[in-house]
Amino acid sequence: QQQVKQSPQSLIVQKGGISIINCAYENTAFDYFPWYQQFPGKGPALLIAIRPDVSEKKEGRFTISFNKSAKQFSLHIMDSQPGDSATYFCAAIRDRGYQKVTFGIGTKLQVIP
Amino acid sequence: DAGITQSPRYKITETGRQVTLMCHQTWSHSYMFWYRQDLGHGLRLIYYSAAADITDKGEVPDGYVVSRSKTENFPLTLESATRSQTSVYFCASSAPGGAGDTQYFGPGTRLTVL
Repeated sequence: QQQVKQSPQSLIVQKGGISIINCAYENTAFDYFPWYQQFPGKGPALLIAIRPDVSEKKEGRFTISFNKSAKQFSLHIMDSQPGDSATYFCAAIRDRGYQKVTFGIGTKLQVIP
Repeated sequence: DAGITQSPRYKITETGRQVTLMCHQTWSHSYMFWYRQDLGHGLRLIYYSAAADITDKGEVPDGYVVSRSKTENFPLTLESATRSQTSVYFCASSAPGGAGDTQYFGPGTRLTVL
C-alpha cells in the first residue's frame, strides 16, 4: 500500500535541462511535504519542503509545485547539472507532532553532460 | 563530531545469526528512526522511538527488535537474520517543532545475509 506515489523511477536529463519528478498522495491528513536528496553511499538529506497552504516554493534551482485539490506535488530542477545526479525522494508527514514520514519510492536522476 | 553515526558500515552475516546495528546521535533529538532501503521499495520504516524507553512499530517490523535506554542510542537487532533482510539500513533522528520536521540520516549500514 503505497501512500505516496512517485514517478518516474529513473530519469535522464541533459545538462542545462529541466528535471521534473512527480508525486501524488491520498491521505488528506498529510500537511508537510519534504523532498530528500541522496547521493550514492550517503544517507538522504532534506532538500526542500512545502506546506499545502502555498502553491509553490523555490530555493535556488529547485522548485516545488503543489496542487492541493489534485493531491499532487512535483520537484522541478532548473538548469540541471551533473552534480544533481542523485536519488530524490518525495515524502509526506501527517502532522508536525506525528513525525513519521511516508516516503515515495525514489527517482534516480542522471544528468548527462 | 556532532551528528548521527552508524556502525558497522558494512556487515556480512549468515542466516540464523543475531546481528545488532548501532546508531548514535549527538543532538539530543527526541525522535529516532530505523529505515531499510531496497530497490523498488524506497525507504521503509522499521521502528521508531519518540523518546527513551518509548518505541513503536513502523511499516516492516517483523524480525527486528529495538531498544532505547538512552536518548542518544537506538540499536536495531535482527534476532535471527534471514536473506530477505539483506538491505541498506538507515538510522535517522529528528526534533519536533520549529525546524524539527527535518529528519537527519546517518550514513547507512549495508547488511548482507548469506
